[in-house]
This record gives sequence, structure tokens and C-alpha cells, in this order.
Amino acid sequence: GAVVSQHPSWVICKSGTSVKIECRSLDFQATTMFWYRQFPKQSLMLMATSNEGSKATYEQGVEKDKFLINHASLTLSTLTVTSAHPEDSSFYICSARTGTSGAFFGQGTRLTVV
Amino acid sequence: AQSVTQLGSHVSVSEGALVLLRCNYSSSVPPYLFWYVQYPNQGLQLLLKYTSAATLVKGINGFEAEFKKSETSFHLTKPSAHMSDAAEYFCAVSFPNTGNQFYFGTGTSLTVIP
Repeated sequence: GAVVSQHPSWVICKSGTSVKIECRSLDFQATTMFWYRQFPKQSLMLMATSNEGSKATYEQGVEKDKFLINHASLTLSTLTVTSAHPEDSSFYICSARTGTSGAFFGQGTRLTVV
Repeated sequence: AQSVTQLGSHVSVSEGALVLLRCNYSSSVPPYLFWYVQYPNQGLQLLLKYTSAATLVKGINGFEAEFKKSETSFHLTKPSAHMSDAAEYFCAVSFPNTGNQFYFGTGTSLTVIP
């Protein structure tokens, strides 16, 4: 199946700094990618839909100024957590779709803000 | 409104026993249905999908699921549980004309008892 690579797999940062997470589709072009957040022992919560060449669509309650999404090419979307705080610590997962083949997910990024 | 419900947040089975993870959906239009597995600190891996073809779908690792429209269900089964099946399982639904967005169930944690 299609491969989605997410980097880094884990990151620790100081409170107040920004962190960038990359999501790449390695063997296909993804016009749309999705960013999810997952709290421990919970399901995935869709944060935003990233569209290549246009602004991301954010879900209700997600701060667009805090979670900056850029989808500059057909194979790369980035999520930047700006001015991170401990409550932003979470597992972030990206995904991309190819037609009706279902979504392919990145490996996830464990963010810890100290 | 579209949604998916997973009954039972925790399921325990003995090694070699039948695995049954339940998923029900609500939808006003024909859905696409998916099962994903997630191991600790990893992304989601697609087990199988239903996209309006055969109602009995076979996936990886010996899993299968049957789409039952009359029961609005898509339960996941495996005849004989293996220790390596212990993980978190998510049922998800998407709809062809709604921007490829996925709706995830709350997940079921499967424990396999030796």
C-alpha cells in the first residue's frame, strides 16, 4: 500500500517554543492530508484538513493560529505547533488518501512540552 | 448525522479464541467502512475496508469483517486470536462525497490472554 512518512517520531520541547512536524506521501501524490490529535487511550480527533495550494480547513475548536498547517506540495504537509505549552503534549498523526483505498497514516509524532 | 460506534472499549480473549470487535454506524448515505489497528506509539495500519463491493471483506493478519446493511454493522472477527493481535482497534467510516473525511469510533483495546 501507499506509504506516509511522518517526522519526527517524537520530540521534546520547552514551553513557548515552536515545533514543526512533517508528513510526506512517499509513493503517491496527496492533494489532501489530514491532521489528527490523539490523547492517551482515546480515539483520533480530526484537527484540520490540509489542501495542497490552499488554506487548511480547521475543525471547530482548533486554534488555527496555534496549529499552523502548510501544504506547499503534493507530497508534503507540515503542522507547526506555535508557542507550545504542556497542554499541547499529545500524539499527532497525519494521514493521506488515495481514491477509495482508505487513508494511510503516518507513524505519529509524540510531542512532549516541558 | 454520520457516526460510528464501537461497543466495548476493552475486549479480552484467550489465545486461540474467537475475536469479535463490534462496530455500528449511522448514515443517511452508503458509507465506506474501515478497520484500523494501532500499536503503542505508532500510527494506524489499515486492516481491511469495505467500499461497496463484496460484503464480506478479508484483511491482513487473518481478520475479516462483514458489512450488514440491515444491521448497520461492520463487525471485525478473527477465528483464532494470537498474542500479537493485542492492540487498539478503530472502526472508521467515510463518505464518497464529503471531502474524504474520516469519522473514527472510540476504539477497542484488545487483550489476548495466554
